[in-house]
Amino acid sequence: NAGVMQNPRHLVRRRGQEARLRCSPMKGHSHVYWYRQLPEEGLKFMVYLQKENIIDESGMPKERFSAEFPKEGPSILRIQQVVRGDSAAYFCASSPGGQYYGYTFGSGTRLTVV
Amino acid sequence: ELKVEQNPLFLSMQEGKNYTIYCNYSTTSDRLYWYRQDPGKSLESLFVLLSNGAVKQEGRLMASLDTKARLSTLHITAAVHDLSATYFCAVERNQAGTALIFGKGTTLSVSS
Repeated sequence: NAGVMQNPRHLVRRRGQEARLRCSPMKGHSHVYWYRQLPEEGLKFMVYLQKENIIDESGMPKERFSAEFPKEGPSILRIQQVVRGDSAAYFCASSPGGQYYGYTFGSGTRLTVV
Repeated sequence: ELKVEQNPLFLSMQEGKNYTIYCNYSTTSDRLYWYRQDPGKSLESLFVLLSNGAVKQEGRLMASLDTKARLSTLHITAAVHDLSATYFCAVERNQAGTALIFGKGTTLSVSS
């Protein structure tokens, strides 16, 4: 069981470019969550997805950020026209959902905007 | 809106002594989680507390939950250097879009 796989581990983008972060949940997990961690801070919830559905995007910035979890393939967090303030660690977590509890986190993608 | 507060945010510990981290949350919740994070690493699950009065222990760490007071504690017994890390509590929201709401974390530093 490979766990939650995130890639890339590190991503450097220039201001104005696009960043695409990928997350493959644990086998058997159909719920995916994205969190952002700024330096010296806790994790902030961004979005909760199930296959082909966005369940809750209340933590997503209104502009430039989008997320998807297609029927096939990993979940993608997309940041358009990145700015320096987007530099952070982005973590993905997955869970089985339903009556089961527990969230497994990936290793994160550390985005640096230069 | 669910808010989670941890204190202290920083804790300098001496080896061999006992310490407690507190986690308060603002609205009712079914589940509370404790995670450990080492610098530059992901989150490692420590405990899941599911009901009022729940107590779980693993090695030198013991977590408890009081849902009436909306308070969880993480107690460290006889601190050792290996426990130096940042510890987060997270509370699960009680709504359709379930997600974890995190505290800001408590950074522990153990010195001899």
